[in-house]
Amino acid sequence: AQTVTQSQPEMSVQEAETVTLSCTYDTSENNYYLFWYKQPPSRQMILVIRQEAYKQQNATENRFSVNFQKAAKSFSLKISDSQLGDTAMYFCAFMKWMARAQKLVFGQGTRLTINP
Amino acid sequence: DGGITQSPKYLFRKEGQNVTLSCEQNLNHDAMYWYRQDPGQGLRLIYYSQIVNDFQKGDIAEGYSVSREKKESFPLTVTSAQKNPTAFYLCASSRDRELETQPQHFGDGTRLSIL
Repeated sequence: AQTVTQSQPEMSVQEAETVTLSCTYDTSENNYYLFWYKQPPSRQMILVIRQEAYKQQNATENRFSVNFQKAAKSFSLKISDSQLGDTAMYFCAFMKWMARAQKLVFGQGTRLTINP
Repeated sequence: DGGITQSPKYLFRKEGQNVTLSCEQNLNHDAMYWYRQDPGQGLRLIYYSQIVNDFQKGDIAEGYSVSREKKESFPLTVTSAQKNPTAFYLCASSRDRELETQPQHFGDGTRLSIL
């Protein structure tokens, strides 16, 4: 079975600073996907960034980037120039295909607070 | 706009009562999912369905039941056998495998509480 571990329950930084959220996972699969989701107080699940395991290049989406270390099974999220709107719970998730459906396994989340 | 509609937004259950949470999607997605979220925790899979009239148990299916009579709809019933139903419930859907994998699309959730 797959497991996802986020070792930082809470983090807090000042606006405009850079912050890195950690995530490690355990799997014997070779083909899988990794995601970071943001959940603001509204409780919506918003996709932040995705990484295909077969791609060596780290994914980047504007101020968000990942450091994907496949051998170490590590998938950290870096937020640059943090903004007040980045305040949210952040979940790391592992995904593999099960026939025609996706098996998503979530970490326990990191509560990120951006202070003015 | 295409999306997933969950209703109601808030739901209260009395002891011994079954309640049903609604999930409807107009994205033409084949697969649908139900997740449970407890405070300070990530999402856990309750049930999923890959096609109409087919569904499988997830990691925490005990005390829950589902049906998939239409592609667009995947209701979740929280039965009286579920002894700790207070949680936030999220429905999601996804497209079938294709060249570029698309992530699951989530609804806005239903908060269920015990009276």
